[in-house]
Amino acid sequence: TQLLEQSPQFLSIQEGENLTVYCNSSSVFSSLQWYRQEPGEGPVLLVTVVTGGEVKKLKRLTFQFGDARKDSSLHITAAQPGDTGLYLCAGGGRNDMRFGAGTRLTVKP
Amino acid sequence: NAGVMQNPRHLVRRRGQEARLRCSPMKGHSHVYWYRQLPEEGLKFMVYLQKENIIDESGMPKERFSAEFPKEGPSILRIQQVVRGDSAAYFCASSPALRGWDEQYFGPGTRLTVT
Repeated sequence: TQLLEQSPQFLSIQEGENLTVYCNSSSVFSSLQWYRQEPGEGPVLLVTVVTGGEVKKLKRLTFQFGDARKDSSLHITAAQPGDTGLYLCAGGGRNDMRFGAGTRLTVKP
Repeated sequence: NAGVMQNPRHLVRRRGQEARLRCSPMKGHSHVYWYRQLPEEGLKFMVYLQKENIIDESGMPKERFSAEFPKEGPSILRIQQVVRGDSAAYFCASSPALRGWDEQYFGPGTRLTVT
């Protein structure tokens, strides 16, 4: 079973601060996804990373896939209250996908 | 709205009753995945279906749970004789391709409460 561990579990910061959350596993993934989920809603796909060492940027969000394709990080620059939510990573191979438990981010104005 | 639709959004059932959760995939998608999410936890895969075919049900409990995706109409996740431990949010996702795990679009979920 491929397990994804996300850290930290909870993160509360002030508006304007930078932050990084992590997604780690002992298994190699063919691809890894980051989702953001708001209360009462389903997860929304932010990005898919496929290549080891890949870096993708989405406005103030920077996603990195580890060289060995076992881990990933999400960095948010100048966080805003609208970034508040549950950030989930998910990784899979050809036949399945597993989700981490998520990092619950709160950005205070 | 061409997104994934789920209904009902909230469902309350008493212990022993049946729960039926519906999922209509995005237009053009023929693959549906069901997940369960408990509070403060990530999503747990339950079952993966293609129209008229169950591809992978390895995450679904062997008893009381069943799923179908008929040729016409929505996918249905059915829970018989519900127990309090079944209380959770159930999400479905759809994708256009076979084994499109990296291209799933999620619905808003059905929150099941068993009293």
